[in-house]
Amino acid sequence: QKEVEQDPGPLSVPEGAIVSLNCTYSNSAFQYFMWYRQYSRKGPGLLMYTYSSGNKEDGRFTAQVDKSSKYISLFIRDSQPSDSATYLCAMSPAGNYGGSQGNLIFGKGTKLSVKP
Amino acid sequence: NAGVTQTPKFQVLKTGQSMTLQCAQDMNHEYMSWYRQDPGMGLRLIHYSVGAGITDQGEVPNGYNVSRSTTEDFPLRLLSAAPSQTSVYFCASSYSGPTDEQYFGPGTRLTVT
Repeated sequence: QKEVEQDPGPLSVPEGAIVSLNCTYSNSAFQYFMWYRQYSRKGPGLLMYTYSSGNKEDGRFTAQVDKSSKYISLFIRDSQPSDSATYLCAMSPAGNYGGSQGNLIFGKGTKLSVKP
Repeated sequence: NAGVTQTPKFQVLKTGQSMTLQCAQDMNHEYMSWYRQDPGMGLRLIHYSVGAGITDQGEVPNGYNVSRSTTEDFPLRLLSAAPSQTSVYFCASSYSGPTDEQYFGPGTRLTVT
């Protein structure tokens, strides 16, 4: 079993829908949780960052971490065609000062298409 | 401010050939990393560096070498290309470590025949 599991999709939704993207993980030591967004044929860019548990909101995007269930989610409200991209979850147990244990483990990514 | 630049954008190699993928950043970042992205596999870390003169292996280092002689540059060398190294390669940099925001380059699409 891979440390981080993410359904690759593809996921297709109509414009305006609420989108829920999820990752599960097996390593209870993970503390740093990130979502990167990757447009087609581009490098990923950081979308959301959460440390430990809880929610974080930024505009139409909300990131949730449930450490008891080893489950993280990204919600997109009022989805737009410009949100069409691949969404990668990433996590780390030890952060910047953990040596090799700080490096990010990425999920496979979920490809999202928002239809006008 | 160019961010993270990678060259070349595309490359086709024959099995056994060697080549160097170039990566440079102009943000004075200490942490730099190389990932490969394969269909169905996500991003996997090849090598990383926490500063000039310091490099270490990631998850999939076999067949690749790196060096970091300056803060700006972090080249990735393929020693003897194999078809299994066909992939998209991304270089990234961040201020001090992996959980700072990593800025990714545009990628190099490599095909080994």
